[in-house]
This record gives sequence, structure tokens and C-alpha cells, in this order.
Amino acid sequence: QVQLVQSGAELKKPGASVKVSCKASGYYFSDYYIHWVRQAPGRGLEWMGWINPKSDGTDYAQKFQGRVTMTSDTSFTTAYIELSRLTSDDTAIYYCARNRRRDSFAETVDLWGQGTLVTVSS
Amino acid sequence: DVQMTQSPSSLSASVGDRVTITCRASQGIGNYLAWYQQKPGKVPELLIYGASTLQPGVPSRFSGSASGTEFTLTISSLQSEDVATYYCQKYNGSPLTFGGGTKVEIK
Repeated sequence: QVQLVQSGAELKKPGASVKVSCKASGYYFSDYYIHWVRQAPGRGLEWMGWINPKSDGTDYAQKFQGRVTMTSDTSFTTAYIELSRLTSDDTAIYYCARNRRRDSFAETVDLWGQGTLVTVSS
Repeated sequence: DVQMTQSPSSLSASVGDRVTITCRASQGIGNYLAWYQQKPGKVPELLIYGASTLQPGVPSRFSGSASGTEFTLTISSLQSEDVATYYCQKYNGSPLTFGGGTKVEIK
């Protein structure tokens, strides 16, 4: 079954870092970009960036440059996002999502993980 | 960066009504525009890509159109299961920006 399964909820203190995983199954992991999107409580969707698991190429939204790192491990068919220097504004659900087309440029997404709630609080 | 402006931010309509949501890009993005539906407490789902191509499995009452930098999502006959927030997203290059969302409720 084609799916993305994310790691569990996290509670972090301000200034800390968090790393969320996204395990893919049911398809050839290397062929599809993985995007990360977050959603603060009661707010809209915010695109954070993507990683190409085949090349390890990445593209980050400027807002997160210097604070975000997206990686992947093809052996474990898992993508990761790490966000550092957390503040309360980073409290959100973090989603991974698969590019709609294989071996294509970064575009729409048609498969989402279940989301991981990251709470930043002292 | 290209800004994506959705309107209205919310609407209330009756079952069976025709509903229209607009997304305006601050500059040209071709037809690289997608629409997503996010039902309360659920993960977003892709409805339309390429401005007007329906994702497989999406009911035909949903449609999308484009005119220059203005994009429209239409629900031809609103159903109770369509209660959701709808987002547009441009994808003609980084950043892949989402619109602010339109919350659709039943009157």
C-alpha cells in the first residue's frame, strides 16, 4: 500500500531542534520528490521545501534558509526534516508529501503523511 | 516572490448552490496552479492540477479554470461533504506558495 508514515508528536523547548521522519512504502522512493508543508494551529498551509531522494538535491523556502535541513535515506526509504532554533511560532503540524509525478520537477503533491504535531513551549 | 491571493476567505452556501472560489497570482504562472481540499481535522487532498485537470477520483462537480493570472475553483452543486477549507498552490517554480485558504460552510 502506497503511504507515507510520519514519526510521532514532539514537545520541544524554545531554542531546541526537532527532527521529523517520513517513511515511504509501496512505491519506488527515489523516483519522487518529497515536500514538507506545515500548518500552524488554525492557520493555512505553508510550503517549506523539497528534497529529491535520488540526488539529495534540496530547495528550501527562503523563510527557513539556515534553519532547516531536509535529508533522505534511500536504504530506509525515509525522508527527514530538521528545524533548529525553535520558537513558539514553529508550533505546527508538519506534513511530508510526495510529488505527484515521478522523475519530474517539483510540483503538486498527491500523497500526504498523517502529519506530526510539533509543540514548542517552555 | 509570486503572491497568491484567495477570495473570499470564507463563505456559507446552501446544499445545491454553485460555489466559486478565486485565486489571483501577483504575476504570471502559466497554468501551474493546483487546488487542494482540507476537511476539518484531515490531511489535505489534491483536487485539481494544471489549473483545470481533475485528479482521478475527484467528483465531477468540481472544476477549475484560468484566465490570465486569475484562477477559479467551482463546485457546481455544493454537497454537505464539501465542507472544507480550499487552498490554491502555484508550482511554476520555487517557492511553491499556497493561497491563504477559503473556508466553505453550509448555510
